[in-house]
Amino acid sequence: ELKVEQNPLFLSMQEGKNYTIYCNYSTTSDRLYWYRQDPGKSLESLFVLLSNGAVKQEGRLMASLDTKARLSTLHITAAVHDLSATYFCAVDSTGGGNKLTFGTGTQLKVEL
Amino acid sequence: NAGVTQTPKFQVLKTGQSMTLQCAQDMNHEYMSWYRQDPGMGLRLIHYSVGAGITDQGEVPNGYNVSRSTTEDFPLRLLSAAPSQTSVYFCASSYRQGWGTQYFGPGTRLLVL
Repeated sequence: ELKVEQNPLFLSMQEGKNYTIYCNYSTTSDRLYWYRQDPGKSLESLFVLLSNGAVKQEGRLMASLDTKARLSTLHITAAVHDLSATYFCAVDSTGGGNKLTFGTGTQLKVEL
Repeated sequence: NAGVTQTPKFQVLKTGQSMTLQCAQDMNHEYMSWYRQDPGMGLRLIHYSVGAGITDQGEVPNGYNVSRSTTEDFPLRLLSAAPSQTSVYFCASSYRQGWGTQYFGPGTRLLVL
């Protein structure tokens, strides 16, 4: 059974600081997704990582994938308040992108 | 494009009642899925479909039925609602080919008393 673990579960940080969210998974997979969810809202796709060593960047967020270590990271650079949200990683267990196992999420709060 | 739409947005049921959560997409996606989101547990896959007429179970299928008669629609049926089914339900869709990014609907909040 595929298990996906994120840490930390909660993260409170000041504006301007850097931090990393970690996503570990238990079985071989080369497709990993990062989503953002604002309170009471749906999920928004951030990144799709499709191979070992993949790195994607958008604004202050950068995601990477190490399939050998079964680890993905989401790095936040110089955080701003607008990044406050819950971030989920999800792993595809089928290779087709339609059967995702989600981590429990990291609730990020960026203090003004 | 409207994307992925879900109805209703909010529903209150009594234990034992049945209902259908509607999901539709206008992007001609082959894949559609249903997830439930509970506090502290992320999203869990209930059922999914890889095309019209084809469905399969996910991680937590008990108490739910699905069918896929058209590419656009993927309804989720609660047969006999239980308080444990109180949750937020998300429908998602994606292309079969390509990156596999799933597009999520706005969600349905369900309260079972």
